[in-house]
Amino acid sequence: EAGVTQSPTHLIKTRGQQATLRCSPISGHTSVYWYQQALGLGLQFLLWYDEGEERNRGNFPPRFSGRQFPNYSSELNVNALELEDSALYLCASSLEVGGEQYFGPGTRLTVT
Amino acid sequence: DQQVKQNSPSLSVQEGRISILNCDYTNSMFDYFLWYKKYPAEGPTFLISISSIKDKNEDGRFTVFLNKSAKHLSLHIVPSQPGDSAVYFCAASGSARQLTFGSGTQLTVLP
Repeated sequence: EAGVTQSPTHLIKTRGQQATLRCSPISGHTSVYWYQQALGLGLQFLLWYDEGEERNRGNFPPRFSGRQFPNYSSELNVNALELEDSALYLCASSLEVGGEQYFGPGTRLTVT
Repeated sequence: DQQVKQNSPSLSVQEGRISILNCDYTNSMFDYFLWYKKYPAEGPTFLISISSIKDKNEDGRFTVFLNKSAKHLSLHIVPSQPGDSAVYFCAASGSARQLTFGSGTQLTVLP
């Protein structure tokens, strides 16, 4: 069974640009979660999607947004990139709400 | 406000000995706790979980203990192996079923 996949692996952007990160959950999982792990910090919850709806978002500005598609894959968009947005962005999926989350390998975003 | 805290950023243990990783939480509404392991350049991997109705859960070399009155949980790894060297995150969830993670502890198992 394929795990959670994320693309791209690495992304380099300039301050002010927009970044789009993609995630495909494990087959059958309907919940997708996005986390940010900045250098030296833990995982900060960004967004949670379930059945195509945004269920909750963390303490991040509105320029962090996303969506979940009918096939349950998801996109995270970061607008007006700032230097401090440089981080590892992790996507996770779960079979049921509140169940164990299975993580992808992450996308390393670097903003210069 | 950190609701889940891992106060030890790093821990070194000799191979074969016990590793004990600690985690404290402040939100009394948390009722489900998990441990994840993360290797560099990989996503976190689920290790073990425990519900608040239990005080201990065991899976092979890994045991998680929960002390609800102290709002404290710990992960015991016995015996520790060099391949266990990784960053360990504890996480907690409540009725919202959204995970709140600690900042992680880097475990190094010395051969």
